[in-house]
Amino acid sequence: GQQVMQIPQYQHVQEGEDFTTYCNSSTTLSNIQWYKQRPGGHPVFLIQLVKSGEVKKQKRLTFQFGEAKKNSSLHITATQTTDVGTYFCAGRTKNNDMRFGAGTRLTVKP
Amino acid sequence: DAGITQSPRHKVTETGTPVTLRCHQTENHRYMYWYRQDPGHGLRLIHYSYGVKDTDKGEVSDGYSVSRSKTEDFLLTLESATSSQTSVYFCAISESGGGASGYTFGSGTRLTVV
Repeated sequence: GQQVMQIPQYQHVQEGEDFTTYCNSSTTLSNIQWYKQRPGGHPVFLIQLVKSGEVKKQKRLTFQFGEAKKNSSLHITATQTTDVGTYFCAGRTKNNDMRFGAGTRLTVKP
Repeated sequence: DAGITQSPRHKVTETGTPVTLRCHQTENHRYMYWYRQDPGHGLRLIHYSYGVKDTDKGEVSDGYSVSRSKTEDFLLTLESATSSQTSVYFCAISESGGGASGYTFGSGTRLTVV
């Protein structure tokens, strides 16, 4: 079964508001990856986090990997309509399986 | 992404018929994957390949088979399609296996089994 849980399932924000999606695993992960899928599109790789407590930024996006390497978050500052889509996390387990979260669908009202 | 293409993009087929989906890459990556995407389930791994003629099962492999006779091509076959196999199928490639590097996904095949 799915070992990586992602919340919330849906998030609707007003343009300019911040957005955060969370990813939680029951087991320690070797790394975690984040993907974005635009409506009708395919997942696109955003970033990979490997180290405990790691924080990476891409413009308005901030990615964190928890100290215990069991959770991660993606935070978007001041959302724009171009941020619309579904954000997936994918965790690499100890036996080298990649487990995708169910995704958080973000909609942005102009 | 230009380095990976899937065909067909859309297909409607009848229950009980065989269906083959094709994934073609020009990146010379060793690892290739087939996923299905369904609402509420995210992406689930069907089968993957770690080299020519080297394949293994994923978490939802029942009813599917794969073949990889060349580095660039990875085929997914539904031997006898069922309505539960209606889904969007994505092929992905990676340089490293086991999630050590990011995946590049194809544009997907929307399969409807009626």
